[in-house]
Amino acid sequence: EPEVTQTPSHQVTQMGQEVILRCVPISNHLYFYWYRQILGQKVEFLVSFYNNEISEKSEIFDDQFSVERPDGSNFTLKIRSTKLEDSAMYFCARQGTSGGNYEQYFGPGTRLTVT
Amino acid sequence: SQQGEEDPQALSIQEGENATMNCSYKTSINNLQWYRQNSGRGLVHLILIRSNEREKHSGRLRVTLDTSKKSSSLLITASRAADTASYFCATDPNTGFQKLVFGTGTRLLVSP
Repeated sequence: EPEVTQTPSHQVTQMGQEVILRCVPISNHLYFYWYRQILGQKVEFLVSFYNNEISEKSEIFDDQFSVERPDGSNFTLKIRSTKLEDSAMYFCARQGTSGGNYEQYFGPGTRLTVT
Repeated sequence: SQQGEEDPQALSIQEGENATMNCSYKTSINNLQWYRQNSGRGLVHLILIRSNEREKHSGRLRVTLDTSKKSSSLLITASRAADTASYFCATDPNTGFQKLVFGTGTRLLVSP
């Protein structure tokens, strides 16, 4: 099954700025996820999104974060006021769709650098 | 407590040898998945094993799952230099939302 695509591949921003990371999945998928990976650390779950609503979020996903699917295709993660500690790789993932398949397929990631 | 811990943290072998990585977890799960990550790149899904399965094969990969011990192993047979990567196990805790909880990973280096 094809992966999702993500844009941009690398984003550099100044502390306090807003960033929007984009994920472009195939339109008929319902379950999406955002994860992040701080350099050298494990991949951490941020939020899951089902049928255009948040289904679960982690303690990392505070009021500075939001997700939406504004046009029914692109799936975005917004960080309102970035902090240095938001520097990480951010991965979008979608759930497999065939026969009760629960694999998650990840995009290539966006490397966010906050200076 | 930490869900999903792999050992060893790093493994260095020669081409042609087998590589075995282990993963332990703490809660009940729906399934366990293994992923590969090349340096600085995305996560590539390798294999999924459900909680009612004990062993699964895919090409040169063999995964086992022991739910009584809350552990899994990934065996890569006849390793190649291209297998050099970090390998992560990820569990789907039985919460109904299918989020994945990743382990700390094993860095595998396969030398020609």
